[in-house]
Amino acid sequence: DAGITQSPRHKVTETGTPVTLRCHQTENHRYMYWYRQDPGHGLRLIHYSYGVKDTDKGEVSDGYSVSRSKTEDFLLTLESATSSQTSVYFCAISESGGGNTDTQYFGPGTRLTVL
Amino acid sequence: TQLLEQSPQFLSIQEGENLTVYCNSSSVFSSLQWYRQEPGEGPVLLVTVVTGGEVKKLKRLTFQFGDARKDSSLHITAAQPGDTGLYLCAGRPPDSWGKFQFGAGTQVVVTP
Repeated sequence: DAGITQSPRHKVTETGTPVTLRCHQTENHRYMYWYRQDPGHGLRLIHYSYGVKDTDKGEVSDGYSVSRSKTEDFLLTLESATSSQTSVYFCAISESGGGNTDTQYFGPGTRLTVL
Repeated sequence: TQLLEQSPQFLSIQEGENLTVYCNSSSVFSSLQWYRQEPGEGPVLLVTVVTGGEVKKLKRLTFQFGDARKDSSLHITAAQPGDTGLYLCAGRPPDSWGKFQFGAGTQVVVTP
């Protein structure tokens, strides 16, 4: 199994509070991703990173920010959580970002509930 | 946004039966991947297809990429309870290195 951990694994918070989710990898992969998974929508890309301090938006980036100061860590921040951000969040890593033989490895997920 | 539509959304079959899951789009993808996800876990990659018309087999699973690289199918022969899970397809649009788009998934339940 690829070395990806997410913390926390579960979190309940209140509307309007800031929340930071952490993804940590031990594989030294260049690309890291944050997805959210909701029933009926599959996985939707929030933000991704293609190197230290290099990030780009995905299809559902509003209300989220990210930072990557080290290769191994990718942080997702909800500046002011809303109930619509209740979801399961997955971090993923890949070596080359989409080459023919590249693989995305997913973390175990973080279940976030915003009350 | 290039959409990937999966069908059916839910499939319940008996052990030993065959099943096919479809992943369709009106847009071309450079590559397409299939994942299986079990409850409480992240998706796990099953296969990547990159060439139009390509067929790949993984034991009882057969994956096909459409000739025009807009659609794909996953066929399971003689399904077993261990095949139960959420099957997701994910495509990488051309000129979109690093970004993948996922379908909504097909929940497959195989009962003994």
